[in-house]
Amino acid sequence: EADIYQTPRYLVIGTGKKITLECSQTMGHDKMYWYQQDPGMELHLIHYSYGVNSTEKGDLSSESTVSRIRTEHFPLTLESARPSHTSQYLCASSDFPNYGYTFGSGTRLTVV
Amino acid sequence: AQTVTQSQPEMSVQEAETVTLSCTYDTSESNYYLFWYKQPPSRQMILVIRQEAYKQQNATENRFSVNFQKAAKSFSLKISDSQLGDTAMYFCAWGGAQKLVFGQGTRLTINP
Repeated sequence: EADIYQTPRYLVIGTGKKITLECSQTMGHDKMYWYQQDPGMELHLIHYSYGVNSTEKGDLSSESTVSRIRTEHFPLTLESARPSHTSQYLCASSDFPNYGYTFGSGTRLTVV
Repeated sequence: AQTVTQSQPEMSVQEAETVTLSCTYDTSESNYYLFWYKQPPSRQMILVIRQEAYKQQNATENRFSVNFQKAAKSFSLKISDSQLGDTAMYFCAWGGAQKLVFGQGTRLTINP
């Protein structure tokens, strides 16, 4: 079944650690997105990609980085995690945004 | 730039009642789509309903319907015969050619 997968679902990690949040989709979508969801639940676009080797920063400044080497894979990396990075991170994909996004289940990150 | 505004941070109704969630948006584009997404507690964000801006007829999906007023740039969601499973965050979104713009969300609670 075509879907979008995020791992891990939950992650608790110490300050200063490097982490990678995984996002993969099996739908062949060109466009992929990362959102940070704050405690008030508002969604903030932090990165997006319109295809392989294409990445852009979103509306909210983030210390994270992304890569898009394969169509199906769009990982997000934090080189040195800090408590301010504690949040939920949602990955989404689309072929034509006019038809909406498909979202992953999210990764809830806690940095202690 | 496009903006989406949800003026109701929280709403609460009794089971079986009808509830309407408000959404307004601002855009200068003529061809776009509008969406309502549902995010249940700790669960995946899913698409509830989608409206094509060039269609005058309001979209409906079972108990969910929209009131699309293009001139007023208003796009409200009506949930009829509300159920406990409707408890969730609801996000209104505007969709262009490249990406979606989300509102701040409305937390809806259905009480037994």
